[in-house]
This record gives sequence, structure tokens and C-alpha cells, in this order.
Amino acid sequence: DAKTTQPPSMDCAEGRAANLPCNHSTISGNEYVYWYRQIHSQGPQYIIHGLKNNETNEMASLIITEDRKSSTLILPHATLRDTAVYYCIVRYNRDDKIIFGKGTRLHILP
Amino acid sequence: EAGVTQSPTHLIKTRGQQATLRCSPISGHTSVYWYQQALGLGLQFLLWYDEGEERNRGNFPPRFSGRQFPNYSSELNVNALELEDSALYLCASDRGLYVTYNEQFFGPGTRLTVL
Repeated sequence: DAKTTQPPSMDCAEGRAANLPCNHSTISGNEYVYWYRQIHSQGPQYIIHGLKNNETNEMASLIITEDRKSSTLILPHATLRDTAVYYCIVRYNRDDKIIFGKGTRLHILP
Repeated sequence: EAGVTQSPTHLIKTRGQQATLRCSPISGHTSVYWYQQALGLGLQFLLWYDEGEERNRGNFPPRFSGRQFPNYSSELNVNALELEDSALYLCASDRGLYVTYNEQFFGPGTRLTVL
């Protein structure tokens, strides 16, 4: 079973910030949170990762709660090209099976 | 820098045949992962190789197997193909076992169709 839970789908208006939540209540101290997205029929694309602190890169921001049991991926100015399935996974233990959940299908509305 | 490459792009087989899928990781990456993505479903973890050894496998029958070569490229073999093996097979690579955090980079996939 996936270690994360995400809403199955979300809508966001073009130009607005898209906030995608992820619950990982059983995360352990050494596990990182990774976000990927998959545009239709392509290989998933890495977006961002974090451990404890909030992170930002050219694609997105990652906000991790203080207890680390949940996180939010923020796409600051969503465009139509951001329409994709977004996956949140947690991983550290090198013997872990890597489990992608069902992800969140993000629809950007023009 | 070249990304993860996979071949062939498409593969059509009939039930009972064997399929071989290939993956070349990013230069410098030692780990290769295989995933299966059936139509409309999420990614299912298949196999993980690092430094030539199988490190972990998902809940798939033994007819799914693979190997990693000394140059870190990898093959996925599926024997006795069944109709439900039709899927997009994705390969990913990362910097390997001893890196603290490690993002995976995915290839474009091989679409296997079993008739």
C-alpha cells in the first residue's frame, strides 16, 4: 500500500496557484517527500523533494508541516501545460519498495 | 546530458511469447528501476537493480525478471505473456544505493501490447 494519500482530482484556474495536498501520517524521521508529475502517456517528471524545511525551485514550492505528517505542493501560476497527474511519495530506506499511489489528477481550467 | 532511454518504443507480441525491454540510465547513475503502468492506472513498482544486483521487487510473478549489465543498462524480460501484461513499462534511474536523497529520472517508456 502507498504511504501517502492524495485527493483523486483537483481543478485550478489558469494563472492561479495550484495547491496539491498529500497526507503521509506514517512518515519516519529519515524519509524524504518527493513529488513527481506525469503528463499523459509520458514518463513521470521529478518536481521537488524535501525532508523538514520548505523548499522552492523553478517549478514549484513544497510546504511540509512541522509534524511532517502532510505536505502541499504549490504551483504558483498554473498554466494549461501543468495539467497532469501529480504523485507524492515518501522514501528513505534503501530497501523500500517504491510505491506510487494513485496521485492527483490536476485539471487547469482556461 | 542524455536522459534515460528505452527501447523499443512500442512492442507487439502474442500471448505466450516472451518480451525483452531495454533501458539505458543517465550517465553516472547506478540504480535502475522498472515500473508497469496499465492503462488508466498508477505506476506499479516491478524491480530495482543497483550495481548489477537485484535490490527489491514488487508483487509480480517470477515470469517478470531482469538484469543489470556492467555498464548499468538493464533488461526487463517478461515470459509467457498474458493479455493483462499490456501496459506502459517505465524505466527510471538514480544515483544509487549510497546517496542520501535521490530523485529518479524516468525514460519515455515502452508500450507493450499483447494480442
